[in-house]
Amino acid sequence: DAGVIQSPRHEVTEMGQEVTLRCKPISGHDYLFWYRQTMMRGLELLIYFNNNVPIDDSGMPEDRFSAKMPNASFSTLKIQPSEPRDSAVYFCASSGQFNQPQHFGDGTRLSIL
Amino acid sequence: DQQVKQNSPSLSVQEGRISILNCDYTNSMFDYFLWYKKYPAEGPTFLISISSIKDKNEDGRFTVFLNKSAKHLSLHIVPSQPGDSAVYFCAASGSDYKLSFGAGTTVTVRA
Repeated sequence: DAGVIQSPRHEVTEMGQEVTLRCKPISGHDYLFWYRQTMMRGLELLIYFNNNVPIDDSGMPEDRFSAKMPNASFSTLKIQPSEPRDSAVYFCASSGQFNQPQHFGDGTRLSIL
Repeated sequence: DQQVKQNSPSLSVQEGRISILNCDYTNSMFDYFLWYKKYPAEGPTFLISISSIKDKNEDGRFTVFLNKSAKHLSLHIVPSQPGDSAVYFCAASGSDYKLSFGAGTTVTVRA
């Protein structure tokens, strides 16, 4: 079975550029989550969707961050404009019904120069 | 504000012995608890979970214990194997389904 697929695995870009991270959840999963991992703050939830609808975006750090889920098999997390402090590993996860374990992708390592 | 705390950043254990990882939480509304394992350059992998209506859940070599009154849970790995060397994260959620993660404990299993 294919797991959660994230692309790209690594992204290096200059400050001020737009960054788009992509995620394909496990087929049939109704919930999709975006997390960020940093040394200072650990793993923190940014936003999650249920049936393609954003449910809670209280973890999104600033208006520079936005996320969409146009259909059940695809989501994007966009940062515009990017800043060096956005450098982190971004994970996408999906799960089936309520309170089932979340399954994570292998992450995108983002470096903003 | 960290609602889930793993106070031991690292643990070293001999192969074949028991590994015990601890986790404390502060939010009394948490009712679902999970442990994840993470290798370098990979995403966290689900290991085992427990709901607040239980105090123990076992899956092969992995057992999770929950002490609600102390707001404490632990993960036991018996026997420890070299492949268990990884970072282990404790996580918890309430009715809002938002997972809060601890900072992780790095386990090293010595041959």
